[in-house]
Amino acid sequence: GAGVSQSPSNKVTEKGKDVELRCDPISGHTALYWYRQSLGQGLEFLIYFQGNSAPDKSGLPSDRFSAERTGGSVSTLTIQRTQQEDSAVYLCASSSRLAGDLAKNIQYFGAGTRLSVL
Amino acid sequence: QKEVEQDPGPLSVPEGAIVSLNCTYSNSAFQYFMWYRQYSRKGPELLMYTYSSGNKEDGRFTAQVDKSSKYISLFIRDSQPSDSATYLCAMTKWGGYNKLIFGAGTRLAVHP
Repeated sequence: GAGVSQSPSNKVTEKGKDVELRCDPISGHTALYWYRQSLGQGLEFLIYFQGNSAPDKSGLPSDRFSAERTGGSVSTLTIQRTQQEDSAVYLCASSSRLAGDLAKNIQYFGAGTRLSVL
Repeated sequence: QKEVEQDPGPLSVPEGAIVSLNCTYSNSAFQYFMWYRQYSRKGPELLMYTYSSGNKEDGRFTAQVDKSSKYISLFIRDSQPSDSATYLCAMTKWGGYNKLIFGAGTRLAVHP
């Protein structure tokens, strides 16, 4: 597709259930990022993939959170045993260095998955 | 203390006003600075990208970076109702692939 696609757009779940959030990056983008945006807060980094590897997973808040990426494309963020404090918008971004400009790393964002834990 | 501080607003201005949005940061290692615009229930979209101190202009938007003061600004001239959105500053230590550190975002409303 033309942009970063995330599904579902909205997810309501009960406390203690597991959820899976999906991100389909822009075709050809090798880098993929997950961020979390809580109400009234800026974006908080969770994890970064380069290809299928995750060189930086420093932002994952607990071992209930995990993510994987397959085929250098689609990524899934899984939250196990969800808690009410997990309620937030989960945003995915992808990037690819612009030709001739190694410094730039412009991240393109999807619309996010709005997660509500009851 | 957060690495990046940004007044969340909300900021309400009349159409045609000049808007000034600001962020301060504590980590002198930040070198690349960005402003993203986020409409309600949408993902952030990049508005401006700057490196080093100084000004960068793009149409009605001007980004300003003062590394000595650890202060960045976004100015919007001749503001329009369509500029109503949340504006997020973001920064990173180096180019290439790495995470962005965001401010909390300032909600702007431009009324006709």
